[in-house]
Amino acid sequence: GNSVTQMEGPVTLSEEAFLTINCTYTATGYPSLFWYVQYPGEGLQLLLKATKADDKGSNKGFEATYRKETTSFHLEKGSVQVSDSAVYFCALSDRRGGSEKLVFGKGTKLTVNP
Amino acid sequence: DADVTQTPRNRITKTGKRIMLECSQTKGHDRMYWYRQDPGLGLRLIYYSFDVKDINKGEISDGYSVSRQAQAKFSLSLESAIPNQTALYFCATSDLAGGEFFGPGTRLTVL
Repeated sequence: GNSVTQMEGPVTLSEEAFLTINCTYTATGYPSLFWYVQYPGEGLQLLLKATKADDKGSNKGFEATYRKETTSFHLEKGSVQVSDSAVYFCALSDRRGGSEKLVFGKGTKLTVNP
Repeated sequence: DADVTQTPRNRITKTGKRIMLECSQTKGHDRMYWYRQDPGLGLRLIYYSFDVKDINKGEISDGYSVSRQAQAKFSLSLESAIPNQTALYFCATSDLAGGEFFGPGTRLTVL
């Protein structure tokens, strides 16, 4: 079945460091791909998305490119801030059976220290 | 006002009790979802609904039931709560553009 695998955390970085959180997927067809962010004590928020191969989603300095050849959607940010500390979830849309629902990875906790 | 609201935000109950978690949305979306979040397991889909007359089981529906009272309301019930249902529960909505909007969550503890 469809699935998402993301790098295990936790990830701890210093402010202004470069961030990469790896995400790979297994899917039939051509799913849309998403990154969600969960700040402490809150629900998930959509961070960015890409709907087809080679699309790049971007938001708040974060970027991810839909790579069909490597079935990947890695999240990157050039210079992280303390306020980026959160849990990040990679997800894909599962459209099997005529319905659409999200399949999530297990999440990666990021802590950014001053 | 928040687009997706959940009540209660926190609940402690005892084994065997019936519990209802409620979700309301003002986004006008037809699609609504219930997830549970457990540490290290990510989010798992319990039930989803694509309109008022459509209810579908997700990957972990056993022990849960839902009711779609209106386009804007989708409630989750635990008929007889057990301790391994202790988790953080999220309601979400979406439209055809894809991506989901999440509520703030309900933290449920079953003793």
